Amino acid sequence: QVTLKESGPALVKPTQTLTLTCTFSAFSLDTSEMRVSWIRQPPGEALEWLARIDWDNEKFYSTSLKTRLSISKDTSKNQVVLTMTNMDPVDTATYYCARMSPDSGSYFDYWGQGTLVTVSS
Amino acid sequence: SYELTQPLSVSVALGQTARITCGGDNIGNKNVHWYQQKSGQAPVVIIYRDNNRPSGIPERFSGSNSGNTATLTIRRAQAGDEADYYCQVWGSSTEVFGGGTQLTVL
Repeated sequence: QVTLKESGPALVKPTQTLTLTCTFSAFSLDTSEMRVSWIRQPPGEALEWLARIDWDNEKFYSTSLKTRLSISKDTSKNQVVLTMTNMDPVDTATYYCARMSPDSGSYFDYWGQGTLVTVSS
Repeated sequence: SYELTQPLSVSVALGQTARITCGGDNIGNKNVHWYQQKSGQAPVVIIYRDNNRPSGIPERFSGSNSGNTATLTIRRAQAGDEADYYCQVWGSSTEVFGGGTQLTVL
C-alpha cells in the first residue's frame, strides 16, 4: 500500500530556512514515470503547488517561489526533501507531499497527511 | 502562467445535481483532475483525466471538459458531499490548482 508522510519542524522563525522530508513506501522514485510533488495550503485557503521531482531527477518549481525552493530525492531512503529559504509568516501552511500517478495524466493519486508549519518569531 | 478559475461556493439541495466549473484558457486541450477535500483531511482525487473515476468513487461523480470550461457534476447530492473541490491541470511547466469551490448541501 502506497503511503507518504511529511516530517519537519512545526515552528520556524522568519528568515529561517525550512526543510521538510517526505518519506514514502511501496514505490520507488527510481521507477520510470514516478513523480512526487510538494503542495501547501495556508489555513482556510486554497491548495498551492510548490515543486515536483521526477524519476529521472528532472525538477519543476512554482514560478512565484522558484527562487526560494529546492527539491531533491534520496532513492535509497525513499525520501524527497524540500527546502524553502527566507521563511515569512505568510508561508504558514499545511505542507503536503503527494505522488503523481505513473500512468499518463499527471494527477495526484496518493497524498500524505500533511504537516502544519507555523512561521512566527 | 496558466490560471484556473472556480466559483468560491456552490449550493445544492439534498438529492439534486451540483455543477462546479473550472475555467481556463483552452482548458479543453488539457487533462483536468478534480479533488475533494473534507475538513481537516488531505485532498482525494475523484476525477482524473477529465472524466475518469478512481475505484471507490461513486458513479454520482462525473466530469466533462470542453472549450474554456471543465465541469464536475455531482448527482443526487448527499450531506457527505459537503467539501471543498479543486481542479488541477499541468500548465506551462508547472502544476496548477484552481482556487477551490466550497460545496454546501442544503
